[in-house]
Amino acid sequence: GEDVEQSLFLSVREGDSSVINCTYTDSSSTYLYWYKQEPGAGLQLLTYIFSNMDMKQDQRLTVLLNKKDKHLSLRIADTQTGDSAIYFCAESFSGNTGKLIFGQGTTLQVKP
Amino acid sequence: DAGVIQSPRHEVTEMGQEVTLRCKPISGHNSLFWYRQTMMRGLELLIYFNNNVPIDDSGMPEDRFSAKMPNASFSTLKIQPSEPRDSAVYFCASTMWGTTNEKLFFGSGTQLSVL
Repeated sequence: GEDVEQSLFLSVREGDSSVINCTYTDSSSTYLYWYKQEPGAGLQLLTYIFSNMDMKQDQRLTVLLNKKDKHLSLRIADTQTGDSAIYFCAESFSGNTGKLIFGQGTTLQVKP
Repeated sequence: DAGVIQSPRHEVTEMGQEVTLRCKPISGHNSLFWYRQTMMRGLELLIYFNNNVPIDDSGMPEDRFSAKMPNASFSTLKIQPSEPRDSAVYFCASTMWGTTNEKLFFGSGTQLSVL
């Protein structure tokens, strides 16, 4: 079945780059997403990539997609303390029903 | 747009009581999702609706859980009777299904504590 895997925790120093990795199983996913959850809040869409793209850049965020290995990554350049949050990778379920399959989330800790 | 609105923000109840969580999706969206988040199990999809019709409720844990969507602007998730293991954050999300990119928009969640 569909499954999305992420590492659970990442700690970086302020100003460094952060790379959060994700693997997924459904090769027919049309879009892949990164969501951010700050403490006490809901998930907020950060960025997404279409499955026929290899890379997407949006200001400090770079998404890399390796479709062959079913590997997705999110790079945050010049990480700030405000980037501390849980980051969720998600893939769209086969059939474009609007249903997303989420990973378990990676907690990013940014140390000053 | 005000976004997805959930109420209440926090709910504390005693075991055995009925709990009703409410959600107002973004106007114009035709798909609505209920998720539950816990430390142990992460984010679980409970049920989702397309055009007010339940499509997949396989994630609903037990018969104690029920969800309704009487119209396009309102949905409820009911737990009766509630148990301590139901304690979690419950999120509602909505999207416009059928477009090229179904981006989910989440509410702020309801923090449920069952004592």
